[in-house]
Amino acid sequence: GQNIDQPTEMTATEGAIVQINCTYQTSGFNGLFWYQQHAGEAPTFLSYNVLDGLEEKGRFSSFLSRSKGYSYLLLKELQMKDSASYLCAVRVLTGGGNKLTFGTGTQLKVEL
Amino acid sequence: ETGVTQSPTHLIKTRGQQVTLRCSSQSGHNTVSWYQQALGQGPQFIFQYYREEENGRGNFPPRFSGLQFPNYSSELNVNALELDDSAQYLCASSPRSSTGELFFGEGSRLTVL
Repeated sequence: GQNIDQPTEMTATEGAIVQINCTYQTSGFNGLFWYQQHAGEAPTFLSYNVLDGLEEKGRFSSFLSRSKGYSYLLLKELQMKDSASYLCAVRVLTGGGNKLTFGTGTQLKVEL
Repeated sequence: ETGVTQSPTHLIKTRGQQVTLRCSSQSGHNTVSWYQQALGQGPQFIFQYYREEENGRGNFPPRFSGLQFPNYSSELNVNALELDDSAQYLCASSPRSSTGELFFGEGSRLTVL
């Protein structure tokens, strides 16, 4: 099976930078995703890493180290609207399809 | 471009009843997945459909079943409802692409009393 760990909660200040970590243990790894989910809403795609290294997309960056089973999501210039749950998800090759295994999510609270 | 739509948005059932949830996938997407999300938890994979066939299943009992139609829309059926089935049910569609990015609907909130 797969095991994904991420912190339950984090608090940061508007304008600051925050890093949300995710560690995973899995076989058949085929990519790591980060999703943002506001309360009562659908998860929305933020980033995808399949190779080691950093992927940057505007204020959001995601890093992956496959050998360490580790990823992080970096959010810069935090805004109040960034308060949400951030879900780390691993895709595993299972003979077909796009099955993702999600962590429990990190609830980020951005304060003034 | 129309996104993923689900219905109903909210519903209340009692233990032992049956429920059907519906999902219309995003235009051009031929793969549909269903996830269960309990409060404060991440989504849990139920199953996936591709070309009207089940194409992967998570750790859910057989009373969770589904269908995919020729237009790629899908249904999730749950029989013999239990209290623990109370959750948000998310449908996600994806193109048959290499990245596997999922596009989620707003979900159906099921409450079992």
